[in-house]
Amino acid sequence: AQKITQTQPGMFVQEKEAVTLDCTYDTSDPSYGLFWYKQPSSGEMIFLIYQGSYDQQNATEGRYSLNFQKARKSANLVISASQLGDSAMYFCAMREGGFKTIFGAGTRLFVKA
Amino acid sequence: DTAVSQTPKYLVTQMGNDKSIKCEQNLGHDTMYWYKQDSKKFLKIMFSYNNKELIINETVPNRFSPKSPDKAHLNLHINSLELGDSAVYFCASSQDGGQGGVGTQYFGPGTRLTVL
Repeated sequence: AQKITQTQPGMFVQEKEAVTLDCTYDTSDPSYGLFWYKQPSSGEMIFLIYQGSYDQQNATEGRYSLNFQKARKSANLVISASQLGDSAMYFCAMREGGFKTIFGAGTRLFVKA
Repeated sequence: DTAVSQTPKYLVTQMGNDKSIKCEQNLGHDTMYWYKQDSKKFLKIMFSYNNKELIINETVPNRFSPKSPDKAHLNLHINSLELGDSAVYFCASSQDGGQGGVGTQYFGPGTRLTVL
């Protein structure tokens, strides 16, 4: 069963606008972590933001915020004030109680000038 | 002062050859991983070592053999390379708190393997 779902294969956003990348997950483990990574065309995987299942507040890191809705099992990434350099693949990932992390299929974001 | 480094960055080889990819991390992390990213960008875990012990071994052909000489290094050796092994291989590391605490994984730059 697919545990991480990213339903948007590709997204377009105008420069300086905000964009939301969707991620839903499935787990029965009460303790888990959710991550977002960015993969630009150069290929490296860049860690963006982390949300723990017991965290009360939504995580924020600069222009990135994670809209965590536990009951809906969603962990959407919000990028505010998009920049051209934000054009990349974005991966949502989940780690349950063990060491294994599962990645979603990714969303390719295109930022238009 | 690269945190997670991999060598080589590119590897082009013939079918049937044996090759190795090396990974080193200087973050002091106790867990290291190998991932395979296919042509559709799907990222799948292959192996994980925690304090030099193998803790994750996904359904990977036994032609793939990881080796962790110490906590800072995790190498991947591949025997009898096949066309389907062509992919980008990522090494990653994390610091995990004793009882399976959730640690952020930091990735190396990747090794693009092309099997001809």
